[in-house]
Amino acid sequence: EVQLVESGGGLVQPGGSLRLSCGASGFISSTYDMHWVRQATGKGLEWVSAISTAGVTYYAGSVKGRFTISRENSKNSLYLQMNSLRDGDTAVYYCTRVGGSAFDVWGQGTMVTVSS
Amino acid sequence: QSVLTQPPSVSAAPGQKVTISCSGSSSNIGNNYVSWYQQLPGTAPKLLIYENQKRPSGIPDRFSGSKSGTSATLGITGLQTGDEADYYCAAWDSSLSVLVFGGGTKLTVL
Repeated sequence: EVQLVESGGGLVQPGGSLRLSCGASGFISSTYDMHWVRQATGKGLEWVSAISTAGVTYYAGSVKGRFTISRENSKNSLYLQMNSLRDGDTAVYYCTRVGGSAFDVWGQGTMVTVSS
Repeated sequence: QSVLTQPPSVSAAPGQKVTISCSGSSSNIGNNYVSWYQQLPGTAPKLLIYENQKRPSGIPDRFSGSKSGTSATLGITGLQTGDEADYYCAAWDSSLSVLVFGGGTKLTVL
C-alpha cells in the first residue's frame, strides 16, 4: 500500500526548532517530487516547500531562510527542519507526493504548535 | 489573501449540480496544470482532478474539471450529502516558483 506517515510534531516555544519526518512506504520516494503543505486550524491549505527528484528545493516566502527541506533516500524519507519558529507556523503539516502533476498521496498530518 | 481566488462557499440541494470557480493569472493557471482537492472534516486532502480535467482512478465521473485561460472550474453533479467538504484548487506559479492554493470553498448540500 502506498502510504506517507509524518512524525515529529509537537509543542515548541517561539524561536525554537523542530524537525518533521515523513516516511514513505509502497513506493520509492526519491523518484518523486515531494512537498510539505500546512493548514492552520480552521484555515485553508498553505504550501510550504518542495524538493525535486534532482534535489532542487523551493520555499514559500513565509518560511524561506527558516525552514529546510531534505530527503534521505536510503531511509525513503522526507524531512522539514524548522527553525526560528513563530506563532504563525502553528498548523497541521502534511507531506505529499507529486504524481500526474498533482498531489496524489497525502500523509495524515502532524500537528506543530508554537506557543510559550 | 490567496493567489488563486475561489468563492468561500457554495450550496445546492441533493441531486443537483454545482460549480466552483478558481481564478488566477497567466503565471499560474494560465500556463500550468490545475488540480483540485476535496477535504472532508478532520481528514487529509484527497486528489479529485489533476492536469485540469483528469480524474484519478476511483473518483466518480460526477466530478469534472475544466480550464479556460486563467480560470478553472470544478463541477459536481448528482450532489450527495457525503460531498459536503472543503474544495481547493492549486497550480504552480512559474513567476514566483511556488505552489499556490485557492482559499478553499465550503460546499453545503442542503
